[in-house]
Amino acid sequence: EDQVTQSPEALRLQEGESSSLNCSYTVSGLRGLFWYRQDPGKGPEFLFTLYSAGEEKEKERLKATLTKKESFLHITAPKPEDSATYLCAVQANTGNQFYFGTGTSLTVIP
Amino acid sequence: NAGVTQTPKFQVLKTGQSMTLQCAQDMNHNSMYWYRQDPGMGLRLIYYSASEGTTDKGEVPNGYNVSRLNKREFSLRLESAAPSQTSVYFCASRGGQSYGYTFGSGTRLTVV
Repeated sequence: EDQVTQSPEALRLQEGESSSLNCSYTVSGLRGLFWYRQDPGKGPEFLFTLYSAGEEKEKERLKATLTKKESFLHITAPKPEDSATYLCAVQANTGNQFYFGTGTSLTVIP
Repeated sequence: NAGVTQTPKFQVLKTGQSMTLQCAQDMNHNSMYWYRQDPGMGLRLIYYSASEGTTDKGEVPNGYNVSRLNKREFSLRLESAAPSQTSVYFCASRGGQSYGYTFGSGTRLTVV
């Protein structure tokens, strides 16, 4: 069964304190792994797509990496405006559906 | 601004009432989706439309119906609302197989 697990559920960081969020997945053939950011009361906002193990993508203070079993979202020197829930989703080679994790709620304290 | 527009933003229904959630996108995307988001459950797919004229069930379709009115519009209907359908509903569209979703801002629905 296709499955996505994100950890930790919640993370509190001091401003400038770097850390990583984890997304582990089991899927019968990965077409793509997607990261989204969701602010309270809003829809998820697309961040990155990763397609194959070893691939990396960067955007400002965020870097996403992918292995055969998991993905990491590294946050370098975070700022309070990085506070949000970060969602991971995978798409299998078969079918049109994405499978979402339950997210990591990140709080960055000034 | 280009994107996905959902209406209404908030709605309170009584058990047994019906309503339609509207969604429109102006990005010329072929695929459109309806998700619900519940605490601790993540986003779950209700129905999707891979292209104009087609619709398919997702993970949690019971109690819902959809209509792909044209390429831009995809509506979700609750025929007889139940408290278990209290949730935040998101519409999304996607431009191709390898692209991520563009989500609307959501409809917060409460069924009492």
